[in-house]
Amino acid sequence: EVQLLESGGGLVQPGGSLRLSCAASGFTFSDYVMCWVRQAPGKGPECVSSMTGDSIHTYYADSVKGRFTISRDNSKNTLFLEMNNLRVDDTAIYYCARRGSAYAFDYWGQGTLVAVSS
Amino acid sequence: EIVLTQSPGTLSSSPGERATLSCRASQSINNNYLAWYQQKPGQPPRLLIHGASSRATGIPDRFSGSGSGTDFTLTVSRLEPEDFAMYYCQQYGSSPLYTFGQGTKLEIK
Repeated sequence: EVQLLESGGGLVQPGGSLRLSCAASGFTFSDYVMCWVRQAPGKGPECVSSMTGDSIHTYYADSVKGRFTISRDNSKNTLFLEMNNLRVDDTAIYYCARRGSAYAFDYWGQGTLVAVSS
Repeated sequence: EIVLTQSPGTLSSSPGERATLSCRASQSINNNYLAWYQQKPGQPPRLLIHGASSRATGIPDRFSGSGSGTDFTLTVSRLEPEDFAMYYCQQYGSSPLYTFGQGTKLEIK
């Protein structure tokens, strides 16, 4: 059974940093593109960053470019998101998602809440 | 930059009825890389349809997707009580690489 479990969210002040983790199980982690998808309250989802299985190719949404860094450790089946210089509008639930067939996200974690507030 | 516009914003229907949700793209979506998701409160999105018309694993056949280019449709043939939720479309390929629509709320009339 595919499972994705996020951790690392919390309350942080503007300008602060957080590191999110996503522990994956039930599939060959290194075979898949993984994405961090966030969803602000009452809004649609947004994929803010993704990384190929071999860590060679990454994607960042313009809204986070230069502030967020995605990485993965295939030996530990874990995906990371380093978030720096956080802003109030980064407040959202952050999901870890697996990219499957036809570039759709076929499995999602339950999410971790990131709240940026002074 | 590609924009996905979903309509209607809210759809009020009754169990047993047919529901049709629309997703229109501001530019053509390559290779029909268009997906549909269902989301219930407090849960992550669940993949329903990928490649515009292929049902994801375990999705009931009352859900179907169609369309190409810029116009896509999700149809629920006979609404069950558990189908009332938010629905999002998502594209891959155009800048930004992944884009979601703003969603359609399917509510009980």
